[in-house]
Amino acid sequence: GENVEQHPSTLSVQEGDSAVIKCTYSDSASNYFPWYKQELGKRPQLIIDIRSNVGEKKDQRIAVTLNKTAKHFSLHITETQPEDSAVYFCAASNRVGNQFYFGTGTSLTVIP
Amino acid sequence: NAGVTQTPKFRILKIGQSMTLQCTQDMNHNYMYWYRQDPGMGLKLIYYSVGAGITDKGEVPNGYNVSRSTTEDFPLRLELAAPSQTSVYFCASSPVGADTQYFGPGTRLTVL
Repeated sequence: GENVEQHPSTLSVQEGDSAVIKCTYSDSASNYFPWYKQELGKRPQLIIDIRSNVGEKKDQRIAVTLNKTAKHFSLHITETQPEDSAVYFCAASNRVGNQFYFGTGTSLTVIP
Repeated sequence: NAGVTQTPKFRILKIGQSMTLQCTQDMNHNYMYWYRQDPGMGLKLIYYSVGAGITDKGEVPNGYNVSRSTTEDFPLRLELAAPSQTSVYFCASSPVGADTQYFGPGTRLTVL
């Protein structure tokens, strides 16, 4: 099955700086890559996603890049704010029953 | 729309007890999923369903059972609870042809 690895496990940045979280996947059939934000005690919320026919996608301060050849994708958050502090999960799916395989999460802390 | 709802929110079980975690969605989504999230970890798929009457195993199905008699409901049954099943359980749903999964608020289960 698919194996998704995520790095780093924890990340601290100063407010206003950028944060980058990286994920790799093993199954070349995976073609959908969402990113979820989970605040403490809350459910995961989709923040951005990318499909395998696209190399980059941006939504305001958040962007995701995908390198299919290298099987890795990254989340970029610019101009970080304290409310960006949360755990971020990447995932990969090959659309077979829409099964998702999640990374182990990155705990992001934005220091005011 | 209430979206995806789960009951109970919290539960403590003794070893060997059984219980059913309830999940209901009112979005007429065909696909439904059960995940578990262990502390500091990503989500692992337990079971999923692509429609009423159809269920299939995910990554970690041992110790669990599911049924899908209606489009709306997807209960997860724990038989003979074990401490290893202490976790937060999330139910999710998605419509056919769409990648986005919508998560419920979660059930925090402790087995002592």
